[in-house]
Amino acid sequence: AQSVTQLDSHVSVSEGTPVLLRCNYSSSYSPSLFWYVQHPNKGLQLLLKYTSAATLVKGINGFEAEFKKSETSFHLTKPSAHMSDAAEYFCVVTHYNQGGKLIFGQGTELSVKP
Amino acid sequence: EAQVTQNPRYLITVTGKKLTVTCSQNMNHEYMSWYRQDPGLGLRQIYYSMNVEVTDKGDVPEGYKVSRKEKRNFPLILESPSPNQTSLYFCASSPGTGDNQPQHFGDGTRLSIL
Repeated sequence: AQSVTQLDSHVSVSEGTPVLLRCNYSSSYSPSLFWYVQHPNKGLQLLLKYTSAATLVKGINGFEAEFKKSETSFHLTKPSAHMSDAAEYFCVVTHYNQGGKLIFGQGTELSVKP
Repeated sequence: EAQVTQNPRYLITVTGKKLTVTCSQNMNHEYMSWYRQDPGLGLRQIYYSMNVEVTDKGDVPEGYKVSRKEKRNFPLILESPSPNQTSLYFCASSPGTGDNQPQHFGDGTRLSIL
């Protein structure tokens, strides 16, 4: 079975400071992991993906995530937050034998203060 | 422009009145899926389709039906809606179910069942 836990339901940072959104996963297989972002009244946009290649994954808008198998973690980071980063972020796990089903974490709402 | 289009975006209706939420993609994707998003639960899969005339249940299929008569369309049908189906719904599509084929999401449909 697969599951995802996002450790913070809400994170607040100041503009220009680093962002850290935490995600732990559980999987019986070598997983594929994604981070999606959801802006208000919009669909989900893929930020980045890990599919067993490099463990440090770079995504769009300056975000990156590191796959740590020993810690079963896939935390999302960004060196400097921008106001436009305020949104909800979802960590997602899947495996090719899951028939395309994505397992979502509960989401982390990121607030960015001026 | 490549996109997944859902209609309507918003709907308020009453218990028992049949409704259909349409989903259309213009990317010739084989895989399509419906999710519902509820606070604190992330997104959960309702139904999915691997290709035309091939559909299967996700994690929360009760009270929903789908069909896949054409590759581009994957409507979600609520035959007799109930208040517990009040939610935000997303349609998604991808070329297949491989790890390197992340899903593209529509902008969502917010349903309120009174």
